[in-house]
Amino acid sequence: GESVGLHLPTLSVQEGDNSIINCAYSNSASDYFIWYKQESGKGPQFIIDIRSNMDKRQGQRVTVLLNKTVKHLSLQIAATQPGDSAVYFCAENIPHSGGGADGLTFGKGTHLIIQP
Amino acid sequence: EADIYQTPRYLVIGTGKKITLECSQTMGHDKMYWYQQDPGMELHLIHYSYGVNSTEKGDLSSESTVSRIRTEHFPLTLESARPSHTSQYLCASSDYSGGGTDTQYFGPGTRLTVL
Repeated sequence: GESVGLHLPTLSVQEGDNSIINCAYSNSASDYFIWYKQESGKGPQFIIDIRSNMDKRQGQRVTVLLNKTVKHLSLQIAATQPGDSAVYFCAENIPHSGGGADGLTFGKGTHLIIQP
Repeated sequence: EADIYQTPRYLVIGTGKKITLECSQTMGHDKMYWYQQDPGMELHLIHYSYGVNSTEKGDLSSESTVSRIRTEHFPLTLESARPSHTSQYLCASSDYSGGGTDTQYFGPGTRLTVL
């Protein structure tokens, strides 16, 4: 079936640098996207979301960019800190004809490693 | 910080045992979900519920069952656990009201090991 995927399973960055985590999705009908952060031994934690009628959304130190032409989503983390070390998942919502969502479809995750 | 709880956090049991994983949320959310996740891998939806007395199967086939008798409570049961059930089980809830937004809030997960 259609799914959401990430380009890299592991991304290593220097502390203080900016990080960019990428995600490719295949369903052009997806209308809502979320980035989650999952630390070891914990459940996923909401970071930021974006609707399909937007190209960019900013939060605190994070920015999500959506390119619907190439079905690409990215998460930018500014001034990466040791606490940013985690696995990052993108997820998409595919609207159903009945108007309800059956749940998000998650990508495989990128492990962000922060080097001192 | 989401108010969603799962117990137990860790469980090691023998093959053939019946187990129930508990999930509770205090946010009054109508929708609740169960996901299965192997270490470092993506989440797979196994069950969800739109509200009381509603249960649906997810994308990933699972031998588990769920019930939704109260809004805040969504337990998952395995009648006869097998080693293939070893995984992490994540519960989530959302206040979905249509419009294309379904932000889900997750519990800490239950790590199940079946010997």
